[in-house]
Amino acid sequence: ETGVTQSPTHLIKTRGQQVTLRCSSQSGHNTVSWYQQALGQGPQFIFQYYREEENGRGNFPPRFSGLQFPNYSSELNVNALELDDSALYLCASSLGNGETQYFGPGTRLLVL
Amino acid sequence: KNEVEQSPQNLTAQEGEFITINCSYSVGISALHWLQQHPGGGIVSLFMLSSGKKKHGRLIATINIQEKHSSLHITASHPRDSAVYICAVRKSNQFYFGTGTSLTVIP
Repeated sequence: ETGVTQSPTHLIKTRGQQVTLRCSSQSGHNTVSWYQQALGQGPQFIFQYYREEENGRGNFPPRFSGLQFPNYSSELNVNALELDDSALYLCASSLGNGETQYFGPGTRLLVL
Repeated sequence: KNEVEQSPQNLTAQEGEFITINCSYSVGISALHWLQQHPGGGIVSLFMLSSGKKKHGRLIATINIQEKHSSLHITASHPRDSAVYICAVRKSNQFYFGTGTSLTVIP
């Protein structure tokens, strides 16, 4: 077990709704990255937060946004949900940018 | 074209066999990661490499920066090694992932 926790574990939403996913990083880790993994695919990088600032972003539209808090926990927000947003959302924390990442168990989001 | 390509996509081996999974990438990188994902989604980071070779137990990872290629080897494979193995590379503040190699080790 990595010490990285995510909530909720599962979530069902409808198209057009908004969702917030949460991640608590491993103690002492100041960097959190978020990934989307569609069924049968490899993960796709959404963005990374380092010390509360966005520190890199993948090819995702602005309706995917995030936050990192002073305790280094993080949120992923997705607005105007689309069916294709159905996926496993993973967060990973690390001691710094470029260090080994420790993954949480993921949140499974289903958009109907 | 994906920035990261893995081969093979699927692999079935008998217990005890030596296994090799390959990863090729097309971008300049600062580090390459090998990840293991078990059914249910949990991901474990196995190695982070920027050069040379690393070994952990029965797992060995190598990288050739000039050839933009990395391999993950599993010696004396065991059914508990059955999982999806994912290669990921980091370029600046971007991460690119392969689609994974699904390994099944049969007793």
